[in-house]
Amino acid sequence: EIVLTQSPGTLSLSPGDRATLSCWASQSVSSSYLAWYQQKPGLAPRLLIYGASRRATGIPDRFSGSGSGTDFTLTISRLEPEDFGVYYCQHYGTSPEVTFGPGTKVDIK
Amino acid sequence: QVQLQESGPGLVKPSQTLSLSCSVSGGSISNGGYYWSWIRQHPGKGLEWIGYVHYNGRTYYNPSFKSRVTMSVDTSKNHFSLELTSVTAADTAIYYCATLPYAYFDFWGQGLPVTVSS
Repeated sequence: EIVLTQSPGTLSLSPGDRATLSCWASQSVSSSYLAWYQQKPGLAPRLLIYGASRRATGIPDRFSGSGSGTDFTLTISRLEPEDFGVYYCQHYGTSPEVTFGPGTKVDIK
Repeated sequence: QVQLQESGPGLVKPSQTLSLSCSVSGGSISNGGYYWSWIRQHPGKGLEWIGYVHYNGRTYYNPSFKSRVTMSVDTSKNHFSLELTSVTAADTAIYYCATLPYAYFDFWGQGLPVTVSS
């Protein structure tokens, strides 16, 4: 079973800052099976990135994903006030199984 | 675009069976391109995948739930269902239904809080 680890646990930033969120897999995974979500309090998660680097429909281009193997990154180039929340990475395995990372909280500094 | 809506009891007694439904609108549950999924989130915690079902009845469950979970599809009602048996307080969570077109969840329901308590 793939285990996903995310860091940092919390990121305190200001609007306009660049945010870099990391997701590590316990073993090498295909980038096709790595996705990122944003969740705000009281709401369902929203798909941001799939296939490690492809933006979902309607997602602003300030969100970008990269990485391969065991190391993946979600970057928000310039934080907007609405970007604060919790971000999760997710892997789809071929067993098949699905695992989520523990999340990174991005909050206002 | 597909819209999902969870329904079911918000309170279930310990040892009983939790039964939830997810109504699908804006698309057909017989769309062979989707797996219909359930995910839960304990209060203040992360996301936990429960399993998913295809309209042809094929199911895949998280091994952590395998002995307690059943998922099914009702094409006549355009909805899919989750049953979780022998619930305990540890099953208190927000339950989400979602679509899985390939390897990610693109549409989500708003979530249904469920409490297990006597």
